[in-house]
Amino acid sequence: GAVVSQHPSWVICKSGTSVKIECRSLDFQATTMFWYRQFPKQSLMLMATSNEGSKATYEQGVEKDKFLINHASLTLSTLTVTSAHPEDSSFYICSATKQLGRAGPSYNEQFFGPGTRLTVL
Amino acid sequence: DAKTTQPPSMDCAEGRAANLPCNHSTISGNEYVYWYRQIHSQGPQYIIHGLKNNETNEMASLIITEDRKSSTLILPHATLRDTAVYYCIVRLRYQTGANNLFFGTGTRLTVIP
Repeated sequence: GAVVSQHPSWVICKSGTSVKIECRSLDFQATTMFWYRQFPKQSLMLMATSNEGSKATYEQGVEKDKFLINHASLTLSTLTVTSAHPEDSSFYICSATKQLGRAGPSYNEQFFGPGTRLTVL
Repeated sequence: DAKTTQPPSMDCAEGRAANLPCNHSTISGNEYVYWYRQIHSQGPQYIIHGLKNNETNEMASLIITEDRKSSTLILPHATLRDTAVYYCIVRLRYQTGANNLFFGTGTRLTVIP
């Protein structure tokens, strides 16, 4: 299997507070995890690439000081939204990559978490 | 990665086949066609993928044209639970490290009772 969990599934916080979202690969090790953001009626937009043991790589326009990513182990990546504001309200989704293809050329597939809905009041 | 074009929305009667088209006229020879779907307020779910042959699994069938410039995802007997946004993505399969899934706008499929 390849199960990815996120915690919490939803969170409501006051403006100015920080919120941490966890992404876990439950039954496999993931050297790379990705964080996406999705606003209502829009598609998923990649925010950053999280590699175990190294600094995350952020997409253009994503503030690395505002969206702190830590990938401390092969099964856990965290996204912390610092000093959250109402415009940060969104659906945050992570994915974890699993290496497949033992019988042939190896390749990576992404498995997605269920998402975390953040509402900032 | 090659871009894809999908109709923004489609309706399908419950129990009938849902045929979702995707154009990917600039696909390269080693890029695969992947389909994901996203039910409201959930993460994307993998459905099926293929290179050039038609594929079938327990969820759907994928028909890829001979020139590989377009494909159709077929849900043989649509149910209300199939209501979702369906994303067609072309990507390199044997690629490590960088993200290789780019989600376009997809097709919002509504299954009608």
